[in-house]
Amino acid sequence: QSALAQPPSASGSLGQSVTISCSGTSSDIGNYNYVSWYQQHPGKAPRLIVYEVSKRPSGVPDRFSGSKSDNTASLTVSGLQPEDEGDYYCTAYGGTYKLLFGGGTKLTVL
Amino acid sequence: QLQLQESGPGLVAPSETLSLSCRISGGSITNPAYYWGWVRQPPGKGLEWIAIIFYTGSSYYNPSLESRVTISRDTSNNRFSLELASVTAADTAVYYCARYCHSATPRRSFDSWGQGTLVTVFS
Repeated sequence: QSALAQPPSASGSLGQSVTISCSGTSSDIGNYNYVSWYQQHPGKAPRLIVYEVSKRPSGVPDRFSGSKSDNTASLTVSGLQPEDEGDYYCTAYGGTYKLLFGGGTKLTVL
Repeated sequence: QLQLQESGPGLVAPSETLSLSCRISGGSITNPAYYWGWVRQPPGKGLEWIAIIFYTGSSYYNPSLESRVTISRDTSNNRFSLELASVTAADTAVYYCARYCHSATPRRSFDSWGQGTLVTVFS
């Protein structure tokens, strides 16, 4: 069982938006603004797409956005594209280098 | 451009010790802005953080693996390593080495990853 709870799957139609949630506790997501999201395609290494809750690394499309409310973080993918299909993982900092991962969400673009 | 490359045996016998190394190129393990770590992914499953290490040797471990894991660094050769003792089939996974941003942006994130190496515990 993963430390952070994510829905196992999510889907959306081409061009539409989808939101993936990541639930933690008041000791991690609720206490620090260090939530990251990673995208992973089959057979590839994860790719960082959001860090510090809502910031994007250079080169990541602004279709990807992150937010947080209380103990839950969210990743929204707007204007879904075929290449957005893949697995998405959230991570959070839980203090004193306690690193937490979510179980992952498989995103399907219909 | 930072590059990380994992190396080590692809097959390990049960109860033996899994040993992997990660070579860093295009960056220095002694950069105080970063930790260096290992993340694994069993086939068809999610990511699991294993450990991170600072160039000084300061290290942190996933509590669920801590009793069996040792992470170390070799600053002379710009690499770091992982040892996982008493392996079982449950340790079969793709093992990734990655850079963890400590004081640099993107903070508290793994911003660069190796390609991963599959380690199978066979019986």
